[in-house]
Amino acid sequence: QVQLQESGPGLVKPSGTLSLTCAVSGGSISSSNWWSWVRQPPGKGLEWIGEIYHSGSTNYNPSLKSRVTISVDKSKNQFSLKLSSVTAADTAVYYCARGIVVVPAALNWFDPWGQGTLVTVSS
Amino acid sequence: SSELTQDPAVSVALGQTVRITCQGDSLRSYYASWYQQKPGQAPVLVIYGKNNRPSGIPDRFSGSSSGNTASLTITGAQAEDEADYYCNSRDSSGNHLIFGGGTKLTVL
Repeated sequence: QVQLQESGPGLVKPSGTLSLTCAVSGGSISSSNWWSWVRQPPGKGLEWIGEIYHSGSTNYNPSLKSRVTISVDKSKNQFSLKLSSVTAADTAVYYCARGIVVVPAALNWFDPWGQGTLVTVSS
Repeated sequence: SSELTQDPAVSVALGQTVRITCQGDSLRSYYASWYQQKPGQAPVLVIYGKNNRPSGIPDRFSGSSSGNTASLTITGAQAEDEADYYCNSRDSSGNHLIFGGGTKLTVL
């Protein structure tokens, strides 16, 4: 079964760039799925950041689009997130998740999720 | 529309039935999916599509939809169901995903 594991620095300085990687195991990142990043500030709800298909097609949350880049590395079976110009408001647990989409049936769901990684923005 | 609205908190007596709702214009075009999140843990998918449960999710969890409202029903709530529940779907453009604000379920 597919498993996801996030990795990256747990502390980023203000105005810097947050960089995370999600390693996919038990399945191929080239399968017919979208791969997403979701974050959750401490004590708050879930916020979708963006998604990528193995072809490189991406969709981003409009509120973050100017600062977000999601990329895929098929050779390593992983995908990555870069968020630039970070502030304290970007402090959150960051999750990666597989997005399953069935277009004709208007279906979309996330399964599985990674365990999440806390990223703190602080000097 | 780019919003899904959930009640912030709901409570249910042990063994009783509770419905958690999610409202949004995009739900007229897209099905919702539902996630359970316990403290310190990643979200877990409990319902997707019209009323589909992943393997391992108890059959006391069910989903339904009508108009702009999706619902998650727990029939015979258990103490272990106490958690935050989030709904999710695509927005009306179909190009972005959105989450509801979450509902904190307390089992009394």
